[in-house]
Amino acid sequence: ETGVTQTPRHLVMGMTNKKSLKCEQHLGHNAMYWYKQSAKKPLELMFVYSLEERVENNSVPSRFSPECPNSSHLFLHLHTLQPEDSALYLCASSRRERGAVYNEQFFGPGTRLTVL
Amino acid sequence: GNSVTQMEGPVTLSEEAFLTINCTYTATGYPSLFWYVQYPGEGLQLLLKATKADDKGSNKGFEATYRKETTSFHLEKGSVQVSDSAVYFCALSDNFGNEKLTFGTGTRLTIIP
Repeated sequence: ETGVTQTPRHLVMGMTNKKSLKCEQHLGHNAMYWYKQSAKKPLELMFVYSLEERVENNSVPSRFSPECPNSSHLFLHLHTLQPEDSALYLCASSRRERGAVYNEQFFGPGTRLTVL
Repeated sequence: GNSVTQMEGPVTLSEEAFLTINCTYTATGYPSLFWYVQYPGEGLQLLLKATKADDKGSNKGFEATYRKETTSFHLEKGSVQVSDSAVYFCALSDNFGNEKLTFGTGTRLTIIP
């Protein structure tokens, strides 16, 4: 248990559905991340939020829409997805401190998404 | 841009065997290097890290040394256990304050009794 929870753990949706993934961290962190993990590919960073402001968007298609209402919660809203979007979506959080070389990212267990 | 190349799996070893998982990287500047582990059904956990050349990271019997001259960060363990079965990811951070991690593709390790 890393202190980062994700719901649901599994999701099957059609291409016309709208769904949301939820991430919650109980660690007092101030930065949150969404990653996509596909088979035989490196983890891909999708979005970064620092102090509830989006600071990174790695050319992710607009059918993925993140939302960070506060420092403890992060959502990924999904609509009109494609079968190639099927993957494990991982959330992570960290405490950003100015001047630190690196602040460890803590990962949740992920949501296994299947798009039919 | 940054990139990480690690040994393709899967790797299957007998219990108590010696483990090496190779990792090499390409980066500008002086990155920090990491090994993450993902056990079945779980998210990634930081296993060990090294933030400058010649540093050795170690945890749970695993070790990796930051070799700038060969741009490598190979993971080793002298005697593996069944509980070490997992997927191992090598990663780097460019230390420019944005904490952007670049990951390798992962190596699945299976230890048989």
